[in-house]
Amino acid sequence: NAGVMQNPRHLVRRRGQEARLRCSPMKGHSHVYWYRQLPEEGLKFMVYLQKENIIDESGMPKERFSAEFPKEGPSILRIQQVVRGDSAAYFCASSRDRNNSPLHFGNGTRLTVT
Amino acid sequence: GENVEQHPSTLSVQEGDSAVIKCTYSDSASNYFPWYKQELGKGPQLIIDIRSNVGEKKDQRIAVTLNKTAKHFSLHITETQPEDSAVYFCAARVPTNDYKLSFGAGTTVTVRA
Repeated sequence: NAGVMQNPRHLVRRRGQEARLRCSPMKGHSHVYWYRQLPEEGLKFMVYLQKENIIDESGMPKERFSAEFPKEGPSILRIQQVVRGDSAAYFCASSRDRNNSPLHFGNGTRLTVT
Repeated sequence: GENVEQHPSTLSVQEGDSAVIKCTYSDSASNYFPWYKQELGKGPQLIIDIRSNVGEKKDQRIAVTLNKTAKHFSLHITETQPEDSAVYFCAARVPTNDYKLSFGAGTTVTVRA
């Protein structure tokens, strides 16, 4: 039973480029969450999605960041025109339902902006 | 929103001793408190969780206690082993945002052989 799969594991982008992070939830999970982790800090909520719907994007910067979870395929977190401050580890989690099942995290994508 | 504080930020213990990590939360409505273990280069893994209708929960060498009045909860690891070395995060969730976890800043635990 594969866990939450994220790719790529490491991503290097120059300032101004676009970063695309992918997340495939666990089998049977239709709820996806993205969190960001800065060095020596806890995880910060960014966005919560269900299939084809963004439920809560209050933790995501309004500009340059977007997320989707299409009917088919993985969830995508997209960061346009990256800046150095976007360098962080981005973790995706999934759950079977909204509030009664635990979150399972992937191993993250470590984004470095040069 | 919910604010979770975690102490200490680093903890070094001798193998076989106990480790205790404490967290406080700000929103008295919080009703779910998971603990995650993160090893180097990996994502957080849920190790134990507790709901607000329970005061204590135990799973082998790991236990969590919850004091709702004081708004704090703690993780206890007994008979520590080298493989317990990792970063541990506490988190809390309020019913009004029942999908959103607020995390503490983490505790780096080192178990000395």
